[in-house]
Amino acid sequence: DAKTTQPPSMDCAEGRAANLPCNHSTISGNEYVYWYRQIHSQGPQYIIHGLKNNETNEMASLIITEDRKSSTLILPHATLRDTAVYYCIVRENTGNQFYFGTGTSLTVIP
Amino acid sequence: KAGVTQTPRYLIKTRGQQVTLSCSPISGHRSVSWYQQTPGQGLQFLFEYFSETQRNKGNFPGRFSGRQFSNSRSEMNVSTLELGDSALYLCASSLVSSGNTIYFGEGSWLTVV
Repeated sequence: DAKTTQPPSMDCAEGRAANLPCNHSTISGNEYVYWYRQIHSQGPQYIIHGLKNNETNEMASLIITEDRKSSTLILPHATLRDTAVYYCIVRENTGNQFYFGTGTSLTVIP
Repeated sequence: KAGVTQTPRYLIKTRGQQVTLSCSPISGHRSVSWYQQTPGQGLQFLFEYFSETQRNKGNFPGRFSGRQFSNSRSEMNVSTLELGDSALYLCASSLVSSGNTIYFGEGSWLTVV
């Protein structure tokens, strides 16, 4: 079962930063937080993942709180192409099964 | 480097028939997992294969099966199709069986009529 809670929807103005929150209060010490997004029922696209420290790549930044009970995905300059459903996933330590919740539907507004 | 390739992209089947979907993982990836996505149930894990062995299985009936070949390519099969099997079937690959990021293909859209 999904171990995360996300708001069902969010809006963001084009060019502004999009901050997508995720709660994962039952996360275990060695479980990773992963973020994927899915655009219009294409295959989910990997964005970023992290364990404890903040992470940044060419797509986004991931901020994980010190107690690891929540995290925020930041898209620094949202574009219309960032409109998608964003999934926050706590990745179990064994196997490659990812349990997807309902995600956050982000709409970037011109 | 080519991504995960799934075939066919779209197909329509009749209730009671069976269907086979194919997945070619990213070159060098040895783990393949399958997911089903429906509007009502969202994205659900079906099963994972690594080194031609099923490693994990989700909560799906025995009508759903899969296999992996020595070149890491995988197929999944659904027998005795039901209307509720209409879904987007997604394949994902990763380097090994645990601890790695998985990368998804574009999926196969199955419609059962």
